[in-house]
Amino acid sequence: ELKVEQNPLFLSMQEGKNYTIYCNYSTTSDRLYWYRQDPGKSLESLFVLLSNGAVKQEGRLMASLDTKARLSTLHITAAVHDLSATYFCAVDIANDMRFGAGTRLTVKP
Amino acid sequence: DSGVTQTPKHLITATGQRVTLRCSPRSGDLSVYWYQQSLDQGLQFLIQYYNGEERAKGNILERFSAQQFPDLHSELNLSSLELGDSALYFCASSVGGNGNEQFFGPGTRLTVL
Repeated sequence: ELKVEQNPLFLSMQEGKNYTIYCNYSTTSDRLYWYRQDPGKSLESLFVLLSNGAVKQEGRLMASLDTKARLSTLHITAAVHDLSATYFCAVDIANDMRFGAGTRLTVKP
Repeated sequence: DSGVTQTPKHLITATGQRVTLRCSPRSGDLSVYWYQQSLDQGLQFLIQYYNGEERAKGNILERFSAQQFPDLHSELNLSSLELGDSALYFCASSVGGNGNEQFFGPGTRLTVL
């Protein structure tokens, strides 16, 4: 059965620090998505990664995909309070999307 | 604002009842996806339609069904409702099929009493 595991599930960071969220999955896929969800809100698409070695950056966030290791990372650089949210990865397996449990990020001043 | 609309925003109903959730995709998007989010199960993909045809099925119960109409709006029908069906239901749309960025609607919060 396909498993998508995110870690950590909870992350408390100081502003200005760097950190990485990991997304491991158990079945071959070359399509992975990252989303952000603010409390009480819907999901916002952050990145779509479609091939091995794909790297995308937007502002302080950078996502990468290693399909051989079945691993995606979401790197946060110089965190700011506005990045506080829950981040989900999702893996596309034959058009069936499976989500990780989410990483709740809190950025403290 | 993603451009995806969902109605209603909130729905409270009783066990055993049937409800219909509605989704209008962004202008020009052909794909519609339905998702369920609950504390117990997390985020789950239910079903995808592309230009009126069912494209993919996820963890959708037999009591649930969906369709996409010629004007591309979609409806998710939930019947014989149980307490455990209480959740947030999101729809999303994309230009093409999978591999495209998905834009999520604001969601419908369903409470089954």
